[in-house]
Amino acid sequence: DAKTTQPPSMDCAEGRAANLPCNHSTISGNEYVYWYRQIHSQGPQYIIHGLKNNETNEMASLIITEDRKSSTLILPHATLRDTAVYYCIVAHTGTASKLTFGTGTRLQVTL
Amino acid sequence: KAGVTQTPRYLIKTRGQQVTLSCSPISGHRSVSWYQQTPGQGLQFLFEYFSETQRNKGNFPGRFSGRQFSNSRSEMNVSTLELGDSALYLCASSLGLGLPGELFFGEGSRLTVL
Repeated sequence: DAKTTQPPSMDCAEGRAANLPCNHSTISGNEYVYWYRQIHSQGPQYIIHGLKNNETNEMASLIITEDRKSSTLILPHATLRDTAVYYCIVAHTGTASKLTFGTGTRLQVTL
Repeated sequence: KAGVTQTPRYLIKTRGQQVTLSCSPISGHRSVSWYQQTPGQGLQFLFEYFSETQRNKGNFPGRFSGRQFSNSRSEMNVSTLELGDSALYLCASSLGLGLPGELFFGEGSRLTVL
């Protein structure tokens, strides 16, 4: 499965949109982009996934570039509870054996 | 509906002992997976079960084992504990294998080995 590159940390002011980038330049045509987050000492939480089209759900939006080599997770109105480590993963399926969690981006939402 | 339940949440063992951790998946989910999380290595895949059969295994020694029961509940066992086994052990469930859907994680079992 393709590797991903994420910035180690980001800050965002509460109420602002948080835009978390992910580079996956070696992604193959049938690999999905998954986003999970982990709030301190809790199990990871699924956020969203997509193949090639942009996706939106109640938590976030996922924007995938046309060449699929990068994507951005958007939290439209970040709150303090969104402070977490965000993981971008590319995989053929959503099963655990195929999801390699890297070091992620530590998002700090501040007042 | 109830989420993924892991027990116990916290436990302390000494080197050489063994430990069994339990995971009850979301009702209707047939796939259960286990991860180990440590500060140094991050989240590492241990194994994955579906229909009582281990389908995939991560790169861990044979001291780490698991099983899944007919009701999809799963247990993992670590024998001859070492200090380095201190970690948060996470269980996740999903509807099945090979699907592009989401994993649902439990809160984890935090193991401390003294």
